[in-house]
Amino acid sequence: EAGVTQFPSHSVIEKGQTVTLRCDPISGHDNLYWYRRVMGKEIKFLLHFVKESKQDESGMPNNRFLAERTGGTYSTLKVQPAELEDSGVYFCASSPLAGVYNEQFFGPGTRLTVL
Amino acid sequence: AQSVTQLGSHVSVSEGALVLLRCNYSSSVPPYLFWYVQYPNQGLQLLLKYTTGATLVKGINGFEAEFKKSETSFHLTKPSAHMSDAAEYFCAVSEWTSGTYKYIFGTGTRLKVLA
Repeated sequence: EAGVTQFPSHSVIEKGQTVTLRCDPISGHDNLYWYRRVMGKEIKFLLHFVKESKQDESGMPNNRFLAERTGGTYSTLKVQPAELEDSGVYFCASSPLAGVYNEQFFGPGTRLTVL
Repeated sequence: AQSVTQLGSHVSVSEGALVLLRCNYSSSVPPYLFWYVQYPNQGLQLLLKYTTGATLVKGINGFEAEFKKSETSFHLTKPSAHMSDAAEYFCAVSEWTSGTYKYIFGTGTRLKVLA
């Protein structure tokens, strides 16, 4: 069974440009999460999809970030326009269930560098 | 809101020595605690989790952790380190806010194993 995949693995862009990150969850997993880790700090929750619906987007930093999950399969996270403080590693995770002790399966992350 | 503290961003041990990675949590409700590991170029992988019941939890690769409510701790241990244990380890607590369960992570501990 394929794990969670993320594309690209690395992205380097200039401040003010747009970047789109993609996440393909494990097949059949209705729950999809985005997290972000700024260098040296903790991994922080951004948002949670259940199928194609946003269940919780309380962690999204501001309106420059837009997440979508068309058809309840893969998800994209767009940053427009990118700022220096958006640099970090963006992780995607998926799970079949969304209970308090249900494991989330993580992808390897996308390292975003904004210059 | 819950929080997780991992003492020591970097820990070095000799091969064959005891591994001890510290995690303390802050929670007003019974916590659900997790340890994840990230090997280079891979996603986070679940090592073990505590939900209820037995306070000593055994995980994969010989790791275990003990939940101590009185000390609000969930330290990760392994009796004998292997070179393959070199990785970054994350402690997390599952929290219900804004209509969903999400992980609250510590800042991570990078384990180095010396030959």
